[in-house]
Amino acid sequence: DQQVKQNSPSLSVQEGRISILNCDYTNSMFDYFLWYKKYPAEGPTFLISISSIKDKNEDGRFTVFLNKSAKHLSLHIVPSQPGDSAVYFCAASAGYGNKLVFGAGTILRVKS
Amino acid sequence: ETGVTQSPTHLIKTRGQQVTLRCSSQSGHNTVSWYQQALGQGPQFIFQYYREEENGRGNFPPRFSGLQFPNYSSELNVNALELDDSALYLCASSLGRGGSSDTQYFGPGTRLTVL
Repeated sequence: DQQVKQNSPSLSVQEGRISILNCDYTNSMFDYFLWYKKYPAEGPTFLISISSIKDKNEDGRFTVFLNKSAKHLSLHIVPSQPGDSAVYFCAASAGYGNKLVFGAGTILRVKS
Repeated sequence: ETGVTQSPTHLIKTRGQQVTLRCSSQSGHNTVSWYQQALGQGPQFIFQYYREEENGRGNFPPRFSGLQFPNYSSELNVNALELDDSALYLCASSLGRGGSSDTQYFGPGTRLTVL
């Protein structure tokens, strides 16, 4: 039962262009969503989050959009840089206890 | 730099053996969570501890157990190892009691191989 899905295993983008990573979820109880970035041989690094009461959160080059009716969120990276090349995980949690439910990840490659 | 460390980095065990993985949380972080990441998948929640008490458990059998200590260190113990236990084991610490907005900071993980 995959409650969080990242349907694109990989994405390739040219440096300077926009990267859009997508995530879908099925559990209506999720109230907090996060994006983590992971480099090889390192643990996931927190990138940006959004509460279910918002539809957009921005932090520098990173913006997360949440569409609750569609149960869909996306991460936009503008402009993309070669250092952004990593695996990106979408995660969600439902209230107290903060058990994170992760998607399978999307490999982003930014070409220079 | 998250401040979360894990040991060992890599470990090889044989089926049926027992293993203990260790994590040192960021100072002041009262909550530690453990995740299992199989190849090609996202991390899966194993359990969480808050101030040395279990605070939530995922869909893992009882042979997965944990401990949290007052000095912000914790352990994940796995008994009767199976081949499917081969994975990257991640610990994550957070400041609060594990509310939704309580950001979790991950360590680099321990790669366990069961032969």
